[in-house]
Amino acid sequence: GAVVSQHPSRVICKSGTSVKIECRSLDFQATTMFWYRQFPKQSLMLMATSNEGSKATYEQGVEKDKFLINHASLTLSTLTVTSAHPEDSSFYICSAGRWGSSGANVLTFGAGSRLTVL
Amino acid sequence: AQSVTQPDIHITVSEGASLELRCNYSYGATPYLFWYVQSPGQGLQLLLKYFSGDTLVQGIKGFEAEFKRSQSSFNLRKPSVHWSDAAEYFCAVGNFGNEKLTFGTGTRLTIIP
Repeated sequence: GAVVSQHPSRVICKSGTSVKIECRSLDFQATTMFWYRQFPKQSLMLMATSNEGSKATYEQGVEKDKFLINHASLTLSTLTVTSAHPEDSSFYICSAGRWGSSGANVLTFGAGSRLTVL
Repeated sequence: AQSVTQPDIHITVSEGASLELRCNYSYGATPYLFWYVQSPGQGLQLLLKYFSGDTLVQGIKGFEAEFKRSQSSFNLRKPSVHWSDAAEYFCAVGNFGNEKLTFGTGTRLTIIP
């Protein structure tokens, strides 16, 4: 089945540093990748939609200069949290879309990355 | 704009008992509906999805869901829960050709012996 690998699973950094999170589709080429943020005991909030070779589309209220997304290939998207601050601490989840047999896109989610900013 | 409501924040069920998790959606066109399960500190696993056709959808782990257009609902059911079903469950809605999903706030399921 489709597998999406997300790395690192946990990261702790100092305030003011930048952190990069990778999202890879291991056995399929993803038409689109998505980045979500999840606060404790809350739902997933879509941050941005990432398409290979083009600029990411950010949701309203998400700072594109703070959360840099690069989609270098059909199997890799990265999220860089720049100049991280404690309020950026969260659980970040990526998903990758592919066309299923039903003719519609099916999302596969990564296991998530827990970011803690000290 | 599309939206999803999961009215129950937390449900506790005895092991072996039946389960129903509620999901109501708001969407202008024919929705694509999903149920995902999330274990603590993990990503989301797809339980089942509805795109078209039979309104009763079978999923993994013995789960099923029924799409009721008249009630704008897509409730998740399982006839007999297992302790391993304890997790957070999310209902989501999207549209064809666009994987951009809107998630409900989730329902936390606790199983008691």
